[in-house]
Amino acid sequence: EDQVTQSPEALRLQEGESSSLNCSYTVSGLRGLFWYRQDPGKGPEFLFTLYSAGEEKEKERLKATLTKKESFLHITAPKPEDSATYLCAVQAEGGTSYGKLTFGQGTILTVHP
Amino acid sequence: DAGVTQSPTHLIKTRGQHVTLRCSPISGHKSVSWYQQVLGQGPQFIFQYYEKEERGRGNFPDRFSARQFPNYSSELNVNALLLGDSALYLCASSLMYSTLNYGYTFGSGTRLTVV
Repeated sequence: EDQVTQSPEALRLQEGESSSLNCSYTVSGLRGLFWYRQDPGKGPEFLFTLYSAGEEKEKERLKATLTKKESFLHITAPKPEDSATYLCAVQAEGGTSYGKLTFGQGTILTVHP
Repeated sequence: DAGVTQSPTHLIKTRGQHVTLRCSPISGHKSVSWYQQVLGQGPQFIFQYYEKEERGRGNFPDRFSARQFPNYSSELNVNALLLGDSALYLCASSLMYSTLNYGYTFGSGTRLTVV
């Protein structure tokens, strides 16, 4: 069974204090790993898809990397508006639920001014 | 263009009742998926429909059912509601059955409270 574990559960940073969020995954065959951002009371907002180990993607202050067992979301010089829950999800190759995403529990990021 | 639209936004039901949640995907998107998100947890897959056919089902009891209409909108039905069904129900749409580059676009969800 596909599994995704995110750490830490919550992270408090000062504005400008860079850090990383971790996503460890177990999947029979990885088709894609997704990062989403979720604000309170809203649906998840797509950030990145990573396909293979060694791949990196960047968007503003965010950079996502992927290895064969985990992914990191690096946040450089965060601002208060980066405060949100960050969700990691995997999509497996094949199977009866081909389009299914398996999510981790999320990391709640709070950035203080 | 409008994003994924879900209705209602909030709903309060009594144990044992039935509920219907609705989702309109982005125009042109043919796939709709439903997820349940309990407070403090990540979304959990319930169903996926593509071209009006069920293509995937998560580990949920038969009290949960769904369908997709010719215009690609979708309904999620839950019978015999339990307190544990209280959650945010999310609908996600995509152009194809399985998409990678642009992910799945989620609606803002329906907050269901069972009392």
